[in-house]
This record gives sequence, structure tokens and C-alpha cells, in this order.
Amino acid sequence: DTGVSQDPRHKITKRGQNVTFRCDPISEHNRLYWYRQTLGQGPEFLTYFQNEAQLEKSRLLSDRFSAERPKGSFSTLEIQRTEQGDSAMYLCASSPRRGGPRSYEQYFGPGTRLTVT
Amino acid sequence: QKEVEQDPGPLSVPEGAIVSLNCTYSNSAFQYFMWYRQYSRKGPELLMYTYSSGNKEDGRFTAQVDKSSKYISLFIRDSQPSDSATYLCARGPSSGSARQLTFGSGTQLTVLP
Repeated sequence: DTGVSQDPRHKITKRGQNVTFRCDPISEHNRLYWYRQTLGQGPEFLTYFQNEAQLEKSRLLSDRFSAERPKGSFSTLEIQRTEQGDSAMYLCASSPRRGGPRSYEQYFGPGTRLTVT
Repeated sequence: QKEVEQDPGPLSVPEGAIVSLNCTYSNSAFQYFMWYRQYSRKGPELLMYTYSSGNKEDGRFTAQVDKSSKYISLFIRDSQPSDSATYLCARGPSSGSARQLTFGSGTQLTVLP
């Protein structure tokens, strides 16, 4: 299966520690997105890359969050000095290089569930 | 007012029932709408995509957009226990080069065998 993959699937960390998540998009998808989802809510947008360029950042993405996509393929999301409020599912999605309305379709990975104790 | 409002349910129906899931949106400029299905502890799975208004059908699923009332619906015919999941509606960006999707909070559906 060549869907979006994320690693790790689960992460438990202590408050104040740094964590890093990885996302591998569907091959040949040039757009990559990060979302955060808490229990009982829909995903909330964090940031978006087209190739290696980070083109959008949500105000949810505080200074403790940083995302990279250095070669336009996989992406990492780092959270520094984690807080209990960071506990959530972190979802990655990708979309293909196509024009028109269907360019907005996004395909999600399984997510990384973060628990901050 | 949230941009996309969705009744959280939970909604429980018997197998074989027709299910109607609904969302409302706030800005008439929105044109792109999607429905995602999310099983417990999994990522959302794209079910259907609609552009502007009207109906779109795919097997047992029909998506409908009513721009006059700013209402989007997903109908599931002959519902199956395997349809038990949370259903998320989402709208695409309203303009420009923005790409983010804005989601409703999801409706939890259980189809009873």
C-alpha cells in the first residue's frame, strides 16, 4: 500500500520534553499538510507545504512547533517543551499535483497519538 | 459561529436503514465540500467530494449541497454495521492559494446488526 504513513503511531512523553513526528506522503504528491485532532473534534489545520516550501501556517502553530520538508518528500513536525495541552492526534495528509477543484482532495495518514504526562 | 457546524450525534440506526448526516456552513463563498469517514483511532478517509451545488452519487453514498440554505448532506443507503464510524464534513478554501480544509466536529454513527 502506498498511502500516507506516519511514525511513530503513539508517543508518550513527559511535560517539557521535545518530540518529533515523521510523515511520508503518497509518492508524487507535492502538497503535504499537518493537522491536529482532539477528542470529539474534527482535525484543525496546522501547516501546509508545497514541495519544500512552507506556504501556510495556522495561528495554532505556536513558537514551540516547527515543521520541515527539506527535500519536498517526507516531513517532520517537532514540538519543543511539550505541554499537557499538546496531547492530541497529529495527522498528516497529502494531495496530488493536479489542477481544478480536485486539487483540494487530501488523503490522510493514520496519525500519531501524542500523550503528554 | 463556527465555519462548519455538524450535529455530533451519536446517531444509532438499524442495519439497512437510510442514514442522513448533515452540516451547515457560514460563508456562501465556500464551493468545495468533502465528506470523510473516520474509524476509531484511525485517520480520516475521503469518501466524497462535491463542488458548488447539486448531488453526487457513489454507490450507496450520495452527497448533496444546497447553497441557498448553506446545507450539506451525506446519505447512506442500505447502511451496514461496517459503516459505523465518525463522519466528518469539511469545506475547502474560499479563495486564493489557501489549501486548508475546515472540518466540522463529526457525527458518530452506529449501525446495529
